[in-house]
This record gives sequence, C-alpha cells and structure tokens, in this order.
Amino acid sequence: NAGVTQTPKFQVLKTGQSMTLQCAQDMNHEYMSWYRQDPGMGLRLIHYSVGAGITDQGEVPNGYNVSRSTTEDFPLRLLSAAPSQTSVYFCASSYSAGRGLYEQYFGPGTRLTVT
Amino acid sequence: AQSVAQPEDQVNVAEGNPLTVKCTYSVSGNPYLFWYVQYPNRGLQFLLKYITGDNLVKGSYGFEAEFNKSQTSFHLKKPSALVSDSALYFCAVSSGVNYGGATNKLIFGTGTLLAVQP
Repeated sequence: NAGVTQTPKFQVLKTGQSMTLQCAQDMNHEYMSWYRQDPGMGLRLIHYSVGAGITDQGEVPNGYNVSRSTTEDFPLRLLSAAPSQTSVYFCASSYSAGRGLYEQYFGPGTRLTVT
Repeated sequence: AQSVAQPEDQVNVAEGNPLTVKCTYSVSGNPYLFWYVQYPNRGLQFLLKYITGDNLVKGSYGFEAEFNKSQTSFHLKKPSALVSDSALYFCAVSSGVNYGGATNKLIFGTGTLLAVQP
C-alpha cells in the first residue's frame, strides 16, 4: 500500500491565485482530514470528511473548500491564496469516523508559500 | 472545549538517559489520547494511544505513556533515549462525545522538540 499520498510537495503561489492540493489514500479509510501546521501552533484542522459525499468544517476553514466524490480522494482547494495561508498542509486518514478511537495516517505534506 | 497542553517547547536529554515529554489535556467525556512523532520534513507517525484499560500504554520504538486521570496527564516516556529519537512530538486528544457528527476530530498540542545529545 502507498498509504496517504499528497501532491505537490512544494508550491509557490502569488496572492489571489487558486490551486488544488491533492490527497489520496489506498487503505479504504472512511475518515479523511486536512490540517495545516504553523510554527508554535501545532496542527489545526481545516476540513474533514466522514465518507464519500460528506464533508464538514474544522477549526480554520475560511479560504478553503473540499469535496469527497470517492473514498480514495480528498482534494483541498484554495480559492484565492493569501500570504496567511503560507503553511505546511497535511492530509490524514483513519479507519473509521466513529468515536475517535482510531489513529490517523498522515501524508508527507505540501509546503505552500504565498507571496 | 477540548484542549491539549505541552508545556515544554524543547526537552534536552543525553543519550542513554530516561526521557519524559509532558502532556495534559481537557476534554468532555472519556478522553482518547494519542502520541505522534514527526521527523524533519516528514508527516506525522503514530506512536501509541490510550483508549481504556491499563494506564501504562506501550508503543513503537520503545516508547510508553502513562495515563493519569486525576492529573489529566498523558506523559510520554522512554527508559533510555537514543540520538535517533530526536524529533518533534505531538500529543493529541479526541473524545467519544459527538461533535457535529464526527467524533474522530483530533485536537493537537503545539509540539515538543526532543533533542538527544550523544
């Protein structure tokens, strides 16, 4: 299994540009999520999905959209990039959405810089 | 509201000495507690978790953690540190309480950098 994969690894955007960060998992996991990691702030949840066709907002959803048309894929769209969105983005998945019991598997991350 | 505190930004320890990385939490309902490790330029890797049962949990790479309900703590420990243990460690908590339909939402601490000197 490849686990959780993310593309691209690095990206530089200009303010106002849009782009999509790709995330895929091959473990048939029900739950997928996007986090951003900023120095001194840990990981903060952007959006999550409990299954195909179902998504919801996390702690910091503004400026981001998601969709989940298949179990495997969970892309994150930046609508109009801003310097405040400079961060490292991680996608994660876990076996089940239920009851918080299951550990999450993380992708390698996408380092995004917005100038 | 759920929260996790990692009071130390950095922990320094000599190789071969025991190490402790501290974590305290606040959550409604029963806590589900996790430790993850992040090596430079990598994603997070799961180390261990506490769901229920024995308060001492053993995980990967010789790490263990002790759940203390009265002190709301879940400290990560290892009897003998290795230089290769140097990394960023995150404590995280989720709850069996239903938040908006998905109960697998993890709240992370800010991380503790472990530096093991040879």
